[in-house]
Amino acid sequence: DADVTQTPRNRITKTGKRIMLECSQTKGHDRMYWYRQDPGLGLRLIYYSFDVKDINKGEISDGYSVSRQAQAKFSLSLESAIPNQTALYFCATSDPKQGDNTEAFFGQGTRLTVV
Amino acid sequence: GEDVEQSLFLSVREGDSSVINCTYTDSSSTYLYWYKQEPGAGLQLLTYIFSNMDMKQDQRLTVLLNKKDKHLSLRIADTQTGDSAIYFCAENSNSGYALNFGKGTSLLVTP
Repeated sequence: DADVTQTPRNRITKTGKRIMLECSQTKGHDRMYWYRQDPGLGLRLIYYSFDVKDINKGEISDGYSVSRQAQAKFSLSLESAIPNQTALYFCATSDPKQGDNTEAFFGQGTRLTVV
Repeated sequence: GEDVEQSLFLSVREGDSSVINCTYTDSSSTYLYWYKQEPGAGLQLLTYIFSNMDMKQDQRLTVLLNKKDKHLSLRIADTQTGDSAIYFCAENSNSGYALNFGKGTSLLVTP
């Protein structure tokens, strides 16, 4: 089983719909992240969380919200999906006990298409 | 944030060496990383280098770090078709809260 699991793997939704992407991890890491990947733009940080009570915006948080339901679960919501949110979304974790080494462990990604 | 720069494409013949270059932004970054993304998959860590090193070798992979120029490179010796993927350079920026990624270099290995 994967250490970082994302569901669904693929999703097509209509403009204006609310959608939630889920992420769970078995690594026991406190830090969790949501990134989006667009061709030619690399990975951009949407939100990150250092623990259940600590949620922070990344560089492109507009149009998104998150919920850290437990140490192991971090979900990303699009309140009203729009076509330019079509992208590949990645959840990741890292271990703060590694100090400055913020090596990230990634899920397999969720491909979201907004039509 | 500021951009970590990488060339977007590289094509090499099987058996040749590949060199992927990266220019990072934050001179206080303590760790620099190379990730590999195969088609349809997530990112996997290939290797990383601590900032007080200038070279790290791991089997076919050699990482060179020039702190003065903020330049990082990844050399893959004897490149194989299975090395075809997107390679991302990343730094742990001064804020330390998350990795700052480059746009990725698509490596195509031809027979």
